[in-house]
Amino acid sequence: DGGITQSPKYLFRKEGQNVTLSCEQNLNHDAMYWYRQDPGQGLRLIYYSQIVNDFQKGDIAEGYSVSREKKESFPLTVTSAQKNPTAFYLCASRGGTSGRDTQYFGPGTRLTVL
Amino acid sequence: EDQVTQSPEALRLQEGESSSLNCSYTVSGLRGLFWYRQDPGKGPEFLFTLYSAGEEKEKERLKATLTKKESFLHITAPKPEDSATYLCAVQALDSSYKLIFGSGTRLLVRP
Repeated sequence: DGGITQSPKYLFRKEGQNVTLSCEQNLNHDAMYWYRQDPGQGLRLIYYSQIVNDFQKGDIAEGYSVSREKKESFPLTVTSAQKNPTAFYLCASRGGTSGRDTQYFGPGTRLTVL
Repeated sequence: EDQVTQSPEALRLQEGESSSLNCSYTVSGLRGLFWYRQDPGKGPEFLFTLYSAGEEKEKERLKATLTKKESFLHITAPKPEDSATYLCAVQALDSSYKLIFGSGTRLLVRP
């Protein structure tokens, strides 16, 4: 089946650790996105990538890093510089070059700082 | 500044009691407005995209409408399985790839 997978579903981080969240899609979509969701708040854009080997910062990129070496993969690293990383992280992808195309979301990763 | 506001924050309905959710937006130029459904602990599920004022789309018990300032998600004769958080997002003309989300409406439908 075509879709977006995220792993792990749950992730626990100790203070000072870097952790990497995985996002894979087999929809052949060009663009991929990372969002953060906090309780009672809307989704906020962390990073996005429109093509392989290119990515841009979103609204809350500080303390995060990404790479886009393959079309189907867009991993997110939460670094120790991110002061409040506990949140629900969502990956999305969008097909085509038209801005009208819909973003489809993965199942999410819940990150908790111990 | 582009902004999306959803109301109410939470809504409780009896099964069969129709109602509407509101999404008000301010954006320099609207490219598209999106509705998603999100169940607890899961990723948002796409429902509708609306592009221009006057446009309407329907799916089962849900109907989305769009004006120049707001969108409504009408729920007709809801069932308990319609309970979820409904998210609204806009895409501006000058930012083709960025979605700006509201904080959502939590809907609970009681049997």
